[in-house]
Amino acid sequence: KAGVTQTPRYLIKTRGQQVTLSCSPISGHRSVSWYQQTPGQGLQFLFEYFSETQRNKGNFPGRFSGRQFSNSRSEMNVSTLELGDSALYLCASSLDGARSTEAFFGQGTRLTVV
Amino acid sequence: GDSVTQMEGPVTLSEEAFLTINCTYTATGYPSLFWYVQYPGEGLQLLLKATKADDKGSNKGFEATYRKETTSFHLEKGSVQVSDSAVYFCALSEFTGGGNKLTFGTGTQLKVEL
Repeated sequence: KAGVTQTPRYLIKTRGQQVTLSCSPISGHRSVSWYQQTPGQGLQFLFEYFSETQRNKGNFPGRFSGRQFSNSRSEMNVSTLELGDSALYLCASSLDGARSTEAFFGQGTRLTVV
Repeated sequence: GDSVTQMEGPVTLSEEAFLTINCTYTATGYPSLFWYVQYPGEGLQLLLKATKADDKGSNKGFEATYRKETTSFHLEKGSVQVSDSAVYFCALSEFTGGGNKLTFGTGTQLKVEL
């Protein structure tokens, strides 16, 4: 079956703009999580959605937001972009988001803010 | 809060050498433990997991045992190949705040040479 699909793969934005990233989970998976990966901070948890509800949130400013649709697809939005938002954004899906359930990652969206 | 500490890289080995990448964790509850691998330009792939103390996860010749007494989950492989060159991440998963999140170590880059 198809894996986790993230679009677009690459983005270049200007400071102050906003951006929306999309994630389509594996069919049947109801939990979607987002992570930011940077050389300096490593992999950091942004938020997790399950059945259209945000269940958990990391320590990121309110400029970072997300949502999940009834078909489990998820989007994350970053407003008023800053240079420091340049990163690889990874989406992960799992069946139910339980602690023992493995998460499957997409290839990521590489965001560059100039 | 939860944290994962893994050995700094890069680790450079000759093909067929023995590999150990150390990983220790701090968690308040009873997390599940994972090793993920990331190849250049790709997202994360689950390598193996263990969900309770003394469990051994294994896949593709890699192994790791969940040691609660030493809070460790060291990754081992008896004979590495050039194709194993990648970045390896140790991670833990706890069901917190009603949702799931993965906490990652900083990653260890492995280079295998002929």
